[in-house]
Amino acid sequence: EPEVTQTPSHQVTQMGQEVILRCVPISNHLYFYWYRQILGQKVEFLVSFYNNEISEKSEIFDDQFSVERPDGSNFTLKIRSTKLEDSAMYFCASSSPVGGQPQHFGDGTRLSIL
Amino acid sequence: GENVEQHPSTLSVQEGDSAVIKCTYSDSASNYFPWYKQELGKGPQLIIDIRSNVGEKKDQRIAVTLNKTAKHFSLHITETQPEDSAVYFCAASDLPPRDYNYGGSQGNLIFGKGTKLSVKP
Repeated sequence: EPEVTQTPSHQVTQMGQEVILRCVPISNHLYFYWYRQILGQKVEFLVSFYNNEISEKSEIFDDQFSVERPDGSNFTLKIRSTKLEDSAMYFCASSSPVGGQPQHFGDGTRLSIL
Repeated sequence: GENVEQHPSTLSVQEGDSAVIKCTYSDSASNYFPWYKQELGKGPQLIIDIRSNVGEKKDQRIAVTLNKTAKHFSLHITETQPEDSAVYFCAASDLPPRDYNYGGSQGNLIFGKGTKLSVKP
């Protein structure tokens, strides 16, 4: 069964550094999403992306965050200058535009800011 | 915006018993309600979903009910097994339109806080 894959599984970064989290969505999916889960808390929506544009973003997704689809397979989340409170699991998800299909999640990247 | 409340936060049952997890939502425009299971170190995995034009849906030992008037939906797991132990999240969203070029939501999910289910052998 096709999967959403995320790399790296764990990223450790110094505060203030830039970090890029990578995702390969399911190949025939056109809707892409990033979510965040702080340890022990609920999964929170960050941003949705379609046709090379941001569709919606939450209050969490401030100017320090950006997303990009640099080629036909990858979808990235960049945090420009990381803060301690950015430490969380980051999940990528994708879905098909046909008939409102469910979102499929990757296994996440654990981001640890020191 | 949408707000999803989920109860209980933890649930412990004996193997073979049933487990029920309940969620409420606030936005009457929400019309899609998936349930995800998250095992340790993994991402959320869809286990069942329901759309607003349906009141109940079953898939083997799992069932979901939806009451649109009261804005609540529930997950029922019967004959629980130790491998059902995980964190379960409910969520709500708009369904994405068939053709996004006509506009509308992309179906961003708003999650509940999760229920940690422990099934004791």
